[in-house]
Amino acid sequence: GAVVSQHPSRVICKSGTSVKIECRSLDFQATTMFWYRQFPKQSLMLMATSNEGSKATYEQGVEKDKFLINHASLTLSTLTVTSAHPEDSSFYICSAREGALETDTQYFGPGTRLTVL
Amino acid sequence: AQKITQTQPGMFVQEKEAVTLDCTYDTSDPSYGLFWYKQPSSGEMIFLIYQGSYDQQNATEGRYSLNFQKARKSANLVISASQLGDSAMYFCAMRLPTGNQFYFGTGTSLTVIP
Repeated sequence: GAVVSQHPSRVICKSGTSVKIECRSLDFQATTMFWYRQFPKQSLMLMATSNEGSKATYEQGVEKDKFLINHASLTLSTLTVTSAHPEDSSFYICSAREGALETDTQYFGPGTRLTVL
Repeated sequence: AQKITQTQPGMFVQEKEAVTLDCTYDTSDPSYGLFWYKQPSSGEMIFLIYQGSYDQQNATEGRYSLNFQKARKSANLVISASQLGDSAMYFCAMRLPTGNQFYFGTGTSLTVIP
């Protein structure tokens, strides 16, 4: 299957700092990438949909000024958590889809565990 | 409204036995895709199997098969000959033609007992 990477896999930062997480599709071009957040023992919550070359579409309740998403190329999307606070500590997972059909599989990255002290 | 329902928060199965993880979905769209993902403790989401709403046959991928009952709107995952490495969280997801997102269920934690 297709490979999606995320970097870093784990990050610990101080409150008030910004953290950037990268999501890359390694062997295919992803027209659309998705960013999810997962709390312990819970399901994935979609935060935003990122399309190459256009602004991200955020889900209701997600602060777009806090979670900045940039989809600079067909293989790279970044999520920046600005002025992080302890409540932002979570597991962030990206996924990428090559096509636009509902039958197209989303391939997930390995996730990034963010801890804000 | 909940679009994907997984009613089993936790399941146990003996090694080498088969296990069925339940998933029901809710949509009025005639076209949709159903997916199962495995999430081990490392956190990565691993794609297991896909079933399209128009597929006539149940999907199979190795030890994984999907029991698709369209009239009941259920898409249960069957894992045959369970292995210790199958212990993980399993998520059912649905993709609709309108919009981009997957709708995920709350997951089922599977523990394989030696």
